[in-house]
Amino acid sequence: NAGVTQTPKFQVLKTGQSMTLQCAQDMNHEYMSWYRQDPGMGLRLIHYSVGAGITDQGEVPNGYNVSRSTTEDFPLRLLSAAPSQTSVYFCASRADRGANNEQFFGPGTRLTVL
Amino acid sequence: AQSVSQHNHHVILSEAASLELGCNYSYGGTVNLFWYVQYPGQHLQLLLKYFSGDPLVKGIKGFEAEFIKSKFSFNLRKPSVQWSDTAEYFCAVPRRGSQGNLIFGKGTKLSVKP
Repeated sequence: NAGVTQTPKFQVLKTGQSMTLQCAQDMNHEYMSWYRQDPGMGLRLIHYSVGAGITDQGEVPNGYNVSRSTTEDFPLRLLSAAPSQTSVYFCASRADRGANNEQFFGPGTRLTVL
Repeated sequence: AQSVSQHNHHVILSEAASLELGCNYSYGGTVNLFWYVQYPGQHLQLLLKYFSGDPLVKGIKGFEAEFIKSKFSFNLRKPSVQWSDTAEYFCAVPRRGSQGNLIFGKGTKLSVKP
C-alpha cells in the first residue's frame, strides 16, 4: 500500500492564481481531511469528508474548496491564492468516525504564495 | 472551546537525557488522546494513543505517556533520548462534533545534541 499520497510536493503561486492540491489514499478509508501547518500554530483543520459526496468545513475553511467524488481522492482547491495561504498542507485519512482511530498523514505539499 | 496546550515550544537535550513534554487539554467526558511525531522533512506519524484502560501508555521507539485525569494532562516521556529523536511532537484530541477530526497542540520541537 502506498498509504496517503499528495502532489505536488512543492508549489509557488502568484497572488490570485488558482490551483488544486491532490490527495489520494489506497486504504479504502471513508474519512479524509485536509490540515494546514503553520509555524507555532500546530495543524488546523480546513475541510473534511466522511465519504464520497459528503464534505464539511473545519476550523479554517475560507479560501478553500473541496469535493469527494470517489473514496480514494480528496482534492483541495484554492480559487484565488493569497499570501496568507502560504503553508504546508497535509491530507489525512482514517478508517471510520471512531475517535480513537489513527489518522494516516500524507507527506505534505509546501505552498508559497507570492 | 476545546483546546490543547503544549507547554514547551523548543526543548534542547543532550543524548541520554530524560525527556518529558507537557500536554494539557480542556475537555470533559470521554477522553481520547494522541501524540504524533514529525521527523524533519517527513509527515506526521502516530507515536501513541490513549482511549481507555491503563493510564500509562507505551508507544513506539521507547516513548510512553501517562494520562492523569485529575490534571487534564497527557505528558510524553522517554527515559533516555537519542539524536534520532530530534523531531517535532504534537499532542492531539478529537474535535467534538467533527467526526473524530483532531485538534492539535502547537507542537514542541525537540533538538537532541549528539
